[in-house]
Amino acid sequence: AQSVAQPEDQVNVAEGNPLTVKCTYSVSGNPYLFWYVQYPNRGLQFLLKYITGDNLVKGSYGFEAEFNKSQTSFHLKKPSALVSDSALYFCAVRGTGGFKTIFGAGTRLFVKA
Amino acid sequence: GAVVSQHPSWVICKSGTSVKIECRSLDFQATTMFWYRQFPKQSLMLMATSNEGSKATYEQGVEKDKFLINHASLTLSTLTVTSAHPEDSSFYICSANLGRAASTDTQYFGPGTRLTVL
Repeated sequence: AQSVAQPEDQVNVAEGNPLTVKCTYSVSGNPYLFWYVQYPNRGLQFLLKYITGDNLVKGSYGFEAEFNKSQTSFHLKKPSALVSDSALYFCAVRGTGGFKTIFGAGTRLFVKA
Repeated sequence: GAVVSQHPSWVICKSGTSVKIECRSLDFQATTMFWYRQFPKQSLMLMATSNEGSKATYEQGVEKDKFLINHASLTLSTLTVTSAHPEDSSFYICSANLGRAASTDTQYFGPGTRLTVL
């Protein structure tokens, strides 16, 4: 069975500092991994995805994520946080051959000025 | 590109009435759309997978007679909450795969519909 874990309910970062939002997954076969961001009362916006190839994936708004197969992780990172990055972030996984996506519980990011 | 819209963005209805929510892919065709429900401060719960021209596939525990899904065209899926009750109040979000429904496709999400049942 597929599963995604986001171990932190909330992450607090000062503006200008690097940020990391953690995600680990469990899936049979090769994983397809996604990060989405949700602003209040809005749908989810796609940030980036890992399908294959380079383990470091670059996405929208300066975000990137690193796929680590041995640790089954796909942490979201940004070198310098902005106050406007404050939102709810979801990690998601999809197994090979299917298109049902499993979402993590979400991590709320607060960036303080 | 890859814009998904939902209508209405919010709706308030009386208990016992039915509410229809539309999900449209504006600039692409979507053979597969998904309907999610999100409770406050919680993750998305997949309710059903909507397939163009065929019956929707419902997740375990989701009442198919209560949440009617119709995917009449490649750009439109509708969710009808029948005989709504206060416990159906929630944030409903649809999404569509950009691509040929392969597992590598990116899902694009609508802005959501806030349903409040009085």
